Amino acid sequence: SQQGEEDPQALSIQEGENATMNCSYKTSINNLQWYRQNSGRGLVHLILIRSNEREKHSGRLRVTLDTSKKSSSLLITASRAADTASYFCATDITGGGNKLTFGTGTQLKVEL
Amino acid sequence: EADIYQTPRYLVIGTGKKITLECSQTMGHDKMYWYQQDPGMELHLIHYSYGVNSTEKGDLSSESTVSRIRTEHFPLTLESARPSHTSQYLCASSEYGRADTGELFFGEGSRLTVL
Repeated sequence: SQQGEEDPQALSIQEGENATMNCSYKTSINNLQWYRQNSGRGLVHLILIRSNEREKHSGRLRVTLDTSKKSSSLLITASRAADTASYFCATDITGGGNKLTFGTGTQLKVEL
Repeated sequence: EADIYQTPRYLVIGTGKKITLECSQTMGHDKMYWYQQDPGMELHLIHYSYGVNSTEKGDLSSESTVSRIRTEHFPLTLESARPSHTSQYLCASSEYGRADTGELFFGEGSRLTVL
């Protein structure tokens, strides 16, 4: 099964609410990254958190990493309609040869 | 905006045709990747390269082949396309020389439909 699995698969919220997405993985990692994909487009990098970090912020994004539970969460605060997209976590597996393994993705819809 | 380009964006072809999906980047990145994305959104790594004359198969077996003759160019070829090859193909690049894998820069993707 996938190295990274995300939960929920789909999320629908109102503008202004917070959105939380979770990612679980199976093996030791060097870092974990979050990406965003608008429909039919390529992926865009949002944030990278290393295995020795626990929390990172970037604008309205907050990422946490719990290596003991092999899980990460992405929080988008004060969501906007423009945040509607698919969000993916990706893991750089230790000894994995410098390539990323992507999770299954969460489809976020932010309604006005 | 990432300086990585994929052509064509959309391609509809008949079974048995040979196709090449082009990917070029102007950032001087040594590492390049091809991912296949199915309709359920999941991305699968099918090929990657650490630099010129370096190519490796990814985690998902693919009938496609790649070449890396120049740093900036990483084309993907299907010798004989089949309907099972219908998918979105995403090219990406990243810097090398780091202890871990850094940020990937993605192209806009090539959506292939084989009839």
